[in-house]
Amino acid sequence: GAGVSQSPSNKVTEKGKDVELRCDPISGHTALYWYRQRLGQGLEFLIYFQGNSAPDKSGLPSDRFSAERTGESVSTLTIQRTQQEDSAVYLCASSLRTGDSNQPQHFGDGTRLSIL
Amino acid sequence: EDKVVQSPLSLVVHEGDTVTLNCSYEVTNFRSLLWYKQEKKAPTFLFMLTSSGIEKKSGRLSSILDKKELFSILNITATQTGDSAVYLCAVLRIQGAQKLVFGQGTRLTINP
Repeated sequence: GAGVSQSPSNKVTEKGKDVELRCDPISGHTALYWYRQRLGQGLEFLIYFQGNSAPDKSGLPSDRFSAERTGESVSTLTIQRTQQEDSAVYLCASSLRTGDSNQPQHFGDGTRLSIL
Repeated sequence: EDKVVQSPLSLVVHEGDTVTLNCSYEVTNFRSLLWYKQEKKAPTFLFMLTSSGIEKKSGRLSSILDKKELFSILNITATQTGDSAVYLCAVLRIQGAQKLVFGQGTRLTINP
C-alpha cells in the first residue's frame, strides 16, 4: 500500500485480556518500529525490527509485551494480561533500511487501545 | 540518558503570525534530528537535519540545526489554521538502536 497500515484503529478491552495489534509497513521497507504514545505525551520507543529479527527490544515495558515479524512484512505487537496503564496509542513506523542509512521513519495512524 | 526537550509546550497565535519552535537535545552518538507534524493521527515527516547550519525549507516551513549548541528550530511563516497541530522533534543516533528519541511535542494552535 501507499503508507503504513495499522489495525484495528481502535480497541477497547477489559483488564486482563490479551490484545494483538497489527502493522503492515510500506512495501519494500525492511526496518519496522513500534512506539507508544500516552495521552498528551511524546512517543516512547518499544522495539524495532531489521528484517525479521529484533536487535533492540529495550523499550518493551514488561514481559507482558512481545512482538514478532514474519516475511519481512507484517508485524504484530501482543500485550498479554492487559493493565489500565497499557491504555495508549500504539504507533508503527517503517523505513527503507537501517545501518548507515539516513532514511526517515514513516508512521501509520496507530491503534488507540483502551483498557477498561 | 538521552533527552530531547521541546519548547514551548503550547503556543497560540493568530493566523498570519510567524512562529518559532525549539528543540534541544542531549544524545550520545548523534546522527540526525527529525521534525514531524501530528494532527489527529499519524505523525507526518517534515524534515531530517544532519549537518549544522544548513537550512531546510518546504513552503512556509523551514528548519535549521546547530550541532555545537545542540538545538534545532522550526519556523513557520504566515501561519494558517491548517498549521494547527502538535510538532514533534526526534533524534536518531549513529550506533545501536535505530529508535527515535522524541521530545514531548509543541501544541500549536492558529486562531483565525
